[in-house]
Amino acid sequence: DAGVTQSPTHLIKTRGQQVTLRCSPKSGHDTVSWYQQALGQGPQFIFQYYEEEERQRGNFPDRFSGHQFPNYSSELNVNALLLGDSALYLCASSLPGARPYNEQFFGPGTRLTVL
Amino acid sequence: QQQVKQSPQSLIVQKGGISIINCAYENTAFDYFPWYQQFPGKGPALLIAIRPDVSEKKEGRFTISFNKSAKQFSLHIMDSQPGDSATYFCAASKGGGSNYKLTFGKGTLLTVNP
Repeated sequence: DAGVTQSPTHLIKTRGQQVTLRCSPKSGHDTVSWYQQALGQGPQFIFQYYEEEERQRGNFPDRFSGHQFPNYSSELNVNALLLGDSALYLCASSLPGARPYNEQFFGPGTRLTVL
Repeated sequence: QQQVKQSPQSLIVQKGGISIINCAYENTAFDYFPWYQQFPGKGPALLIAIRPDVSEKKEGRFTISFNKSAKQFSLHIMDSQPGDSATYFCAASKGGGSNYKLTFGKGTLLTVNP
Protein backbone atom coordinates (compact mmCIF):
# COMPACT_ATOMS: atom_id res chain seq x y z
CA ASP A 1 0.00 0.00 0.00
CA ALA A 2 1.57 3.26 -1.18
CA GLY A 3 -0.32 5.44 1.25
CA VAL A 4 -1.39 8.93 0.24
CA THR A 5 0.65 10.23 -2.67
CA GLN A 6 0.93 13.81 -3.90
CA SER A 7 2.45 15.41 -6.96
CA PRO A 8 4.49 17.33 -7.69
CA THR A 9 6.85 17.40 -4.71
CA HIS A 10 7.93 20.97 -5.29
CA LEU A 11 6.61 23.73 -7.50
CA ILE A 12 7.71 27.30 -8.22
CA LYS A 13 5.27 29.79 -9.73
CA THR A 14 5.07 33.54 -10.15
CA ARG A 15 2.36 35.87 -8.89
CA GLY A 16 -0.83 35.77 -10.94
CA GLN A 17 -0.25 32.29 -12.31
CA GLN A 18 -2.46 29.29 -11.74
CA VAL A 19 -1.41 25.96 -10.21
CA THR A 20 -2.87 22.45 -9.97
CA LEU A 21 -1.82 20.00 -7.28
CA ARG A 22 -2.73 16.32 -7.32
CA CYS A 23 -3.49 13.72 -4.67
CA SER A 24 -4.14 9.99 -4.73
CA PRO A 25 -5.75 8.69 -1.54
CA LYS A 26 -4.74 5.62 0.40
CA SER A 27 -6.21 2.42 -0.99
CA GLY A 28 -9.81 1.94 0.17
CA HIS A 29 -10.27 5.59 1.16
CA ASP A 30 -12.89 7.74 -0.51
CA THR A 31 -12.74 11.04 1.40
CA VAL A 32 -10.04 13.58 0.59
CA SER A 33 -9.24 16.74 2.53
CA TRP A 34 -6.79 19.50 1.61
CA TYR A 35 -4.80 21.57 4.10
CA GLN A 36 -2.42 24.52 3.74
CA GLN A 37 0.58 24.60 6.07
CA ALA A 38 2.49 27.88 6.10
CA LEU A 39 6.06 27.82 7.37
CA GLY A 40 6.14 27.41 11.14
CA GLN A 41 2.37 27.01 11.40
CA GLY A 42 -0.10 24.19 11.81
CA PRO A 43 -2.09 22.93 8.83
CA GLN A 44 -5.24 24.89 7.98
CA PHE A 45 -8.24 23.18 6.45
CA ILE A 46 -9.08 24.24 2.89
CA PHE A 47 -11.87 21.85 1.86
CA GLN A 48 -12.98 18.24 1.79
CA TYR A 49 -14.31 16.10 -1.06
CA TYR A 50 -16.56 13.07 -0.81
CA GLU A 51 -18.45 11.36 -3.65
CA GLU A 52 -16.99 13.94 -6.06
CA GLU A 53 -18.58 16.85 -4.21
CA GLU A 54 -17.17 19.51 -1.91
CA ARG A 55 -18.61 18.63 1.50
CA GLN A 56 -16.91 21.16 3.76
CA ARG A 57 -14.92 24.32 3.17
CA GLY A 58 -12.61 26.31 5.38
CA ASN A 59 -11.98 30.04 5.36
CA PHE A 60 -10.27 30.24 1.97
CA PRO A 61 -11.21 32.48 -0.99
CA ASP A 62 -12.80 31.23 -4.18
CA ARG A 63 -9.38 31.30 -5.84
CA PHE A 64 -8.98 27.90 -4.21
CA SER A 65 -11.04 25.23 -5.92
CA GLY A 66 -10.93 21.50 -6.17
CA HIS A 67 -12.18 18.40 -7.84
CA GLN A 68 -12.54 14.74 -7.02
CA PHE A 69 -12.53 12.07 -9.71
CA PRO A 70 -14.47 8.78 -9.80
CA ASN A 71 -11.32 6.92 -8.66
CA TYR A 72 -11.30 9.17 -5.54
CA SER A 73 -8.15 11.04 -6.55
CA SER A 74 -8.34 14.81 -6.17
CA GLU A 75 -6.95 18.05 -7.49
CA LEU A 76 -6.45 21.40 -5.79
CA ASN A 77 -6.43 24.44 -8.06
CA VAL A 78 -5.29 27.88 -7.03
CA ASN A 79 -5.84 30.83 -9.39
CA ALA A 80 -4.23 34.27 -9.39
CA LEU A 81 -1.43 33.19 -7.09
CA LEU A 82 -0.30 35.56 -4.34
CA LEU A 83 3.00 35.58 -2.47
CA GLY A 84 1.05 34.51 0.62
CA ASP A 85 0.00 31.28 -1.08
CA SER A 86 3.53 29.97 -0.63
CA ALA A 87 3.12 26.96 1.68
CA LEU A 88 3.14 23.20 2.00
CA TYR A 89 -0.13 21.81 0.67
CA LEU A 90 -1.19 18.60 2.35
CA CYS A 91 -3.72 16.07 1.21
CA ALA A 92 -5.35 13.71 3.72
CA SER A 93 -7.59 10.72 3.05
CA SER A 94 -9.85 8.70 5.29
CA LEU A 95 -12.07 5.64 5.26
CA PRO A 96 -15.54 5.72 3.75
CA GLY A 97 -18.74 6.34 5.58
CA ALA A 98 -19.60 8.26 8.70
CA ARG A 99 -17.59 6.12 11.09
CA PRO A 100 -16.49 8.35 13.94
CA TYR A 101 -12.93 8.98 14.98
CA ASN A 102 -11.32 7.47 11.90
CA GLU A 103 -7.79 8.59 11.26
CA GLN A 104 -6.99 11.06 8.52
CA PHE A 105 -3.83 9.87 6.73
CA PHE A 106 -1.66 12.66 5.36
CA GLY A 107 0.52 12.65 2.28
CA PRO A 108 4.03 14.19 2.19
CA GLY A 109 2.71 17.41 0.70
CA THR A 110 3.55 19.67 -2.23
CA ARG A 111 5.83 22.61 -1.45
CA LEU A 112 4.56 25.62 -3.45
CA THR A 113 6.75 28.71 -3.76
CA VAL A 114 5.26 31.84 -5.31
CA LEU A 115 7.80 34.44 -6.50
CA GLN B 1 -9.34 33.64 15.92
CA GLN B 2 -7.15 30.75 16.97
CA GLN B 3 -9.40 27.97 18.26
CA VAL B 4 -6.59 25.68 19.46
CA LYS B 5 -3.67 27.24 21.32
CA GLN B 6 -0.51 25.18 21.75
CA SER B 7 2.52 25.71 23.99
CA PRO B 8 5.44 25.78 24.19
CA GLN B 9 6.56 26.76 20.70
CA SER B 10 9.78 24.79 21.18
CA LEU B 11 11.08 22.34 23.76
CA ILE B 12 14.49 20.85 24.48
CA VAL B 13 14.66 17.69 26.58
CA GLN B 14 17.47 15.37 27.55
CA LYS B 15 17.31 11.71 26.53
CA GLY B 16 15.25 9.79 29.07
CA GLY B 17 13.38 12.87 30.23
CA ILE B 18 9.67 13.71 30.04
CA SER B 19 8.37 15.98 27.29
CA ILE B 20 5.12 17.83 27.99
CA ILE B 21 3.16 19.80 25.40
CA ASN B 22 -0.04 21.62 26.26
CA CYS B 23 -3.08 22.67 24.25
CA ALA B 24 -6.20 24.67 25.05
CA TYR B 25 -9.35 24.90 22.97
CA GLU B 26 -12.29 27.26 22.86
CA ASN B 27 -15.05 25.44 20.99
CA THR B 28 -16.97 23.20 23.41
CA ALA B 29 -18.41 21.32 20.42
CA PHE B 30 -15.02 19.70 19.78
CA ASP B 31 -15.18 16.02 20.65
CA TYR B 32 -12.07 14.48 19.13
CA PHE B 33 -8.53 15.50 20.06
CA PRO B 34 -5.65 13.91 18.12
CA TRP B 35 -1.94 14.57 18.33
CA TYR B 36 0.16 14.46 15.17
CA GLN B 37 3.90 14.03 14.75
CA GLN B 38 5.65 15.59 11.76
CA PHE B 39 9.22 14.99 10.64
CA PRO B 40 10.92 17.36 8.17
CA GLY B 41 9.79 16.70 4.60
CA LYS B 42 6.94 14.46 5.71
CA GLY B 43 3.24 14.88 6.27
CA PRO B 44 1.77 14.74 9.79
CA ALA B 45 1.20 11.24 11.19
CA LEU B 46 -1.33 10.41 13.89
CA LEU B 47 0.35 9.63 17.19
CA ILE B 48 -2.52 9.23 19.64
CA ALA B 49 -6.06 10.57 20.02
CA ILE B 50 -8.63 10.98 22.79
CA ARG B 51 -12.34 11.65 23.16
CA PRO B 52 -13.75 13.84 25.97
CA ASP B 53 -15.42 10.94 27.79
CA VAL B 54 -11.95 9.76 28.87
CA SER B 55 -9.54 11.75 31.07
CA GLU B 56 -6.39 9.91 30.06
CA LYS B 57 -5.18 7.63 27.31
CA LYS B 58 -1.83 5.88 27.17
CA GLU B 59 -0.11 4.19 24.25
CA GLY B 60 3.40 3.04 24.97
CA ARG B 61 5.50 6.04 25.97
CA PHE B 62 2.82 8.53 24.87
CA THR B 63 -0.01 9.71 27.14
CA ILE B 64 -2.79 12.23 26.55
CA SER B 65 -4.31 13.91 29.61
CA PHE B 66 -7.65 15.62 29.07
CA ASN B 67 -9.38 18.20 31.30
CA LYS B 68 -12.84 18.91 29.91
CA SER B 69 -13.78 21.59 32.46
CA ALA B 70 -10.60 23.54 31.76
CA LYS B 71 -10.81 22.85 28.01
CA GLN B 72 -7.21 21.71 28.02
CA PHE B 73 -5.33 18.61 26.93
CA SER B 74 -1.69 17.68 26.96
CA LEU B 75 0.76 15.18 25.50
CA HIS B 76 3.33 13.53 27.73
CA ILE B 77 6.25 11.65 26.18
CA MET B 78 7.96 9.46 28.73
CA ASP B 79 11.59 8.34 28.38
CA SER B 80 12.07 10.77 25.47
CA GLN B 81 14.46 9.54 22.76
CA PRO B 82 16.45 11.41 20.08
CA GLY B 83 14.19 9.73 17.49
CA ASP B 84 11.25 11.61 19.04
CA SER B 85 12.75 14.89 17.79
CA ALA B 86 10.03 16.27 15.52
CA THR B 87 7.26 18.86 15.41
CA TYR B 88 4.13 17.92 17.34
CA PHE B 89 0.69 19.30 16.60
CA CYS B 90 -2.43 19.06 18.68
CA ALA B 91 -5.72 19.20 16.84
CA ALA B 92 -9.45 19.10 17.45
CA SER B 93 -12.59 18.39 15.50
CA LYS B 94 -16.28 18.05 16.15
CA GLY B 95 -18.47 15.19 15.10
CA GLY B 96 -15.69 12.65 14.75
CA GLY B 97 -12.31 12.38 13.08
CA SER B 98 -12.52 11.21 9.52
CA ASN B 99 -15.32 13.22 8.02
CA TYR B 100 -14.78 16.51 9.75
CA LYS B 101 -12.14 19.17 9.46
CA LEU B 102 -9.25 19.18 11.87
CA THR B 103 -8.32 22.46 13.58
CA PHE B 104 -4.60 22.41 14.42
CA GLY B 105 -2.45 24.21 16.94
CA LYS B 106 0.67 26.01 15.72
CA GLY B 107 3.00 23.18 16.66
CA THR B 108 5.83 22.46 19.09
CA LEU B 109 9.34 21.71 17.87
CA LEU B 110 10.74 19.04 20.19
CA THR B 111 14.46 18.40 20.34
CA VAL B 112 15.70 15.47 22.41
CA ASN B 113 19.42 15.69 23.11
CA PRO B 114 21.39 12.42 23.39
